[in-house]
Amino acid sequence: EMQLVESGGGLVKPGGSLRLSCAASGFTFSTNCMNWVRQAPGKGLEWVASISWSSTYIYYADSVKGRFTISRDDATNSLYLQMNSLRADDTAVYYCSTAAGIGNYWFDPWGQGTLVSVSS
Amino acid sequence: QSVLTQPPSASVTPGQWVTISCSGSSSNIGVNTVQWYQHLPGTAPKLLIYNNYQRPSGVPDRFSGSKSGTSASLAISGLQSEDEADYYCAAWDNSLKGYVFGTGTKVTVL
Repeated sequence: EMQLVESGGGLVKPGGSLRLSCAASGFTFSTNCMNWVRQAPGKGLEWVASISWSSTYIYYADSVKGRFTISRDDATNSLYLQMNSLRADDTAVYYCSTAAGIGNYWFDPWGQGTLVSVSS
Repeated sequence: QSVLTQPPSASVTPGQWVTISCSGSSSNIGVNTVQWYQHLPGTAPKLLIYNNYQRPSGVPDRFSGSKSGTSASLAISGLQSEDEADYYCAAWDNSLKGYVFGTGTKVTVL
């Protein structure tokens, strides 16, 4: 069974940093693209970033470009999101998901999410 | 700010059907495939429809998707209480070089 488990969320002050992790199992991680999607309180889903297999292609939403870095470790089947210069509007549940490719592909499955709260 | 527009809510009685629209543009739905996700707050979002109309294994045929031009629709027939959730369309946007999600539609089963 394909499974994704996020971790690393928590409370951080504005301007601070946090690193999210996503542990994958049940599929060939190295040949899949990986994604981060978030949902702020009371808001809809917002795509954050995607990384292709071998990290050849990386894309970011404009709202996080220059502050967040997506990366992967195929040796440990892990996906990461390094979040710097955090702002209050980054407060959200962050989900990781997998896809066969980038572009005309779908996110399936998704993890349960990890909550990031940015507040002083 | 979402690029794909959906109605904010829909209320339906059990057993009836509902159609949710998703309006995009020539840089996303007009040239790329549409996906639909079901999301209950506090849980992992679930893929309902991919490639405009295809259903993953395990998704009931009560759920169907379609696309025409720069718009797409999700239809749910024979609504059940377990279908009460938020529904999102999504597509790749060639101009933004990223995924865009719809604004989301909250379906309430009366």
